[in-house]
Amino acid sequence: QVTLRESGPALVRPTQSLTLTCTVSGFSLTTSGICVTWVRQSPGKALEWLAFIDWDDEKYHSTSLKTRLTISKDTSKNQVVLTMTNMDPVDTATYYCARIMAMGGMDVWGQGTTVTVSS
Amino acid sequence: DIQMTQSPSSLSASVGDRVTITCRASQSISSYLNWYHQKPGKAPKLLIYAASSLQNGVPSRFSGSGSGTDFTLTISSLQPEDFATYYCQQNYNTPLTFGGGTKVEI
Repeated sequence: QVTLRESGPALVRPTQSLTLTCTVSGFSLTTSGICVTWVRQSPGKALEWLAFIDWDDEKYHSTSLKTRLTISKDTSKNQVVLTMTNMDPVDTATYYCARIMAMGGMDVWGQGTTVTVSS
Repeated sequence: DIQMTQSPSSLSASVGDRVTITCRASQSISSYLNWYHQKPGKAPKLLIYAASSLQNGVPSRFSGSGSGTDFTLTISSLQPEDFATYYCQQNYNTPLTFGGGTKVEI
């Protein structure tokens, strides 16, 4: 069974960095065509794509957030890690990770983790 | 960045209705278009990929069409569990982008 599970802090102070971990099971992060992506959703807003990392360790980022985002993976732990620097209250959102197969759709999603940015 | 524009932003419908949602890309994206729906408090779910391919396990009342810049998601007979927000998303190139969503309400 393919699953993804997000983990990370529920509360972050402004200007701090956020580190989120996506732990996957049921598939390999190094299988050709497999990517893991991060998407967020601010309260009441649409989905916003953040970044993805592919099976070959190529990385792609949102244009507007590129300078603040780092995505990486640890294949030994079956984890994909997203770091976002200089957090602001506008970054308050639910953050999801999802699998992309062969550049098709995001076919399996985690349940999401809610992050609040507040002092 | 490719902009994805959905219409309408919301609609009211009844069980059994045929519902159509449109998505327009700011440039041609061939058939690199996916559709999702999302219920409150839940993660999105993939319905259609590559513009017209039905994801495994998704009911056949959902269908997608289009290519280039104009795409359509059709629900042939709306069911109670279909009341949700629907999103299109392009994967023609990065950055990946989503439409603004269409909320389907009773």
